[in-house]
Amino acid sequence: GQQLNQSPQSMFIQEGEDVSMNCTSSSIFNTWLWYKQEPGEGPVLLIALYKAGELTSNGRLTAQFGITRKDSFLNISASIPSDVGIYFCAGQRFGANSKLTFGKGITLSVRP
Amino acid sequence: NAGVTQTPKFRILKIGQSMTLQCTQDMNHNYMYWYRQDPGMGLKLIYYSVGAGITDKGEVPNGYNVSRSTTEDFPLRLELAAPSQTSVYFCASKANRTAYGYTFGSGTRLTVV
Repeated sequence: GQQLNQSPQSMFIQEGEDVSMNCTSSSIFNTWLWYKQEPGEGPVLLIALYKAGELTSNGRLTAQFGITRKDSFLNISASIPSDVGIYFCAGQRFGANSKLTFGKGITLSVRP
Repeated sequence: NAGVTQTPKFRILKIGQSMTLQCTQDMNHNYMYWYRQDPGMGLKLIYYSVGAGITDKGEVPNGYNVSRSTTEDFPLRLELAAPSQTSVYFCASKANRTAYGYTFGSGTRLTVV
């Protein structure tokens, strides 16, 4: 099945730095979502984006729905140690039982 | 508000044994999903259900079975466990077709030896 492209697999940053992650697809999605997964837990929804060009913030997190509807990015500003985890992007189309398609995730490490 | 509850959290099975992973949600969601997560591989859809009495295969259904006799419960059955089924399993739900995103359970870590 199709997956979204997220790379690199791991990122290492210093506390206080900003970090950007992007997610690309060969096909269009109606909704883009970003999830965070902490160790031993299930993914938790961070931000949902509903239309092309939309820019949405949630605290230190900002995400954008690409104009072509084939990509999205997530930015975390002024990182802190509790930002560590796996960040997944997901795309959703309406119809076809509207299942989510997930990227493989990016593991973020924050050095204090 | 419990959300999506999965049991057990951890389990070790021997090759050839059977088990059922339980998933229940208290949000009256129609849509439910089972995913497996392997390191560096993201989430792969095993089975899903759009309502009680209706189930369908995802990307990786082989070796698994599901049932959906009630809106709340969506158990995943492994009949003859194999080492390739060692993984972390997540159940998720959403309200209806147009609802965005899923609510996930906290997962079941299964090891087959």
